[in-house]
Amino acid sequence: KAGVTQTPRYLIKTRGQQVTLSCSPISGHRSVSWYQQTPGQGLQFLFEYFSETQRNKGNFPGRFSGRQFSNSRSEMNVSTLELGDSALYLCASSSGRDTGELFFGEGSRLTVL
Amino acid sequence: AQKVTQAQTEISVVEKEDVTLDCVYETRDTTYYLFWYKQPPSGELVFLIRRNSFDEQNEISGRYSWNFQKSTSSFNFTITASQVVDSAVYFCALSLYTGANSKLTFGKGITLSVRP
Repeated sequence: KAGVTQTPRYLIKTRGQQVTLSCSPISGHRSVSWYQQTPGQGLQFLFEYFSETQRNKGNFPGRFSGRQFSNSRSEMNVSTLELGDSALYLCASSSGRDTGELFFGEGSRLTVL
Repeated sequence: AQKVTQAQTEISVVEKEDVTLDCVYETRDTTYYLFWYKQPPSGELVFLIRRNSFDEQNEISGRYSWNFQKSTSSFNFTITASQVVDSAVYFCALSLYTGANSKLTFGKGITLSVRP
């Protein structure tokens, strides 16, 4: 069974640009959630999508947005990038029927210069 | 609001030693889930265990064991006879028990190094 796939794995952007990250969940999983991991703040929940609807949202500014497609693939977008957005962005998939047993991808490492 | 504290930041042991990773949590909710995840150098988090707040039974799985004590709000993780492959960052996490959801509150993690 293929795992969670995130693309791109690494990217470098400059302040003010925008970025889109992609996540393909495990086949059959309908829930995709996104987490930001930084050395200072640790792992923080961004949002969760289930069956194309945002089901849960963390405390991040509106510059962070996401969506989910009918095939459960998800994208997250960060607009007007700031230096503090440099982080590892992790995507996790689950069946959506069970709390917390998440399957994570290897992440997309974003560097903002 | 929920909070998870992992006071230990880095632990280094020699192979075959036992090691305990501490986790203390705070929540005003009476029903919740607790988790441990492992993050190897490749980056993806790997699910290890989930406990719900109703079940304070300790659990053992091979070399891993977990001690859940509601009275002290702790959910500690012990690795017996550690191996080099156990080297990773370990995260404790908490989630509300309100329906299926993926919103976990993580601790800052403990970096475990097991030396040969």
